[in-house]
Amino acid sequence: DTEVTQTPKHLVMGMTNKKSLKCEQHMGHRAMYWYKQKAKKPPELMFVYSYEKLSINESVPSRFSPECPNSSLLNLHLHALQPEDSALYLCASSRNRDRGSRSYNSPLHFGNGTRLTVT
Amino acid sequence: AQTVTQSQPEMSVQEAETVTLSCTYDTSESDYYLFWYKQPPSRQMILVIRQEAYKQQNATENRFSVNFQKAAKSFSLKISDSQLGDAAMYFCAYGTPLVFGKGTRLSVIA
Repeated sequence: DTEVTQTPKHLVMGMTNKKSLKCEQHMGHRAMYWYKQKAKKPPELMFVYSYEKLSINESVPSRFSPECPNSSLLNLHLHALQPEDSALYLCASSRNRDRGSRSYNSPLHFGNGTRLTVT
Repeated sequence: AQTVTQSQPEMSVQEAETVTLSCTYDTSESDYYLFWYKQPPSRQMILVIRQEAYKQQNATENRFSVNFQKAAKSFSLKISDSQLGDAAMYFCAYGTPLVFGKGTRLSVIA
């Protein structure tokens, strides 16, 4: 069983729709991540939250809007997506990102992902 | 910039045999961690093993071990006594947040 839970598992949406991806962890982790993975490619970092604050945005288009309501939840709001945005979206968490802390390089725990199809 | 290179897009191994997956990386840092993740068809990224750069000793987790050559910036994964359940995509990863190599697809032949 995964300790990072992502919902929904599959999502099909039109280009004019608004939808949200959800991610939840109860491991007490203070860093959370969104990755995008196209077929047969490695995951690519989109966003990083550290202590509920956005710390990294890898120049992601504004049609993707992340939100971290509390330390356990991470959302990705989707609006006006394009067919090329179809991919597997992976959420991950880690202990923290405090430089100098032994936990800085703690491994990421991933969810099972949401398979998104934009029609 | 941090880069991770996996030069073997695909590998295959007979069940019960040993296989080694290669990974090289580039960094200017002296203290860092390296990771191998496995992604089976179920899609979840599963941590296989990690190595702390300041440790001389190679990490081992049951049938999985690494050959870490810091000077050469090489971090290969050895899978011993391969099992059918080992078939998956294997990603080498570095840094925080993680940067992944392109992956090696491992097939296990019964």
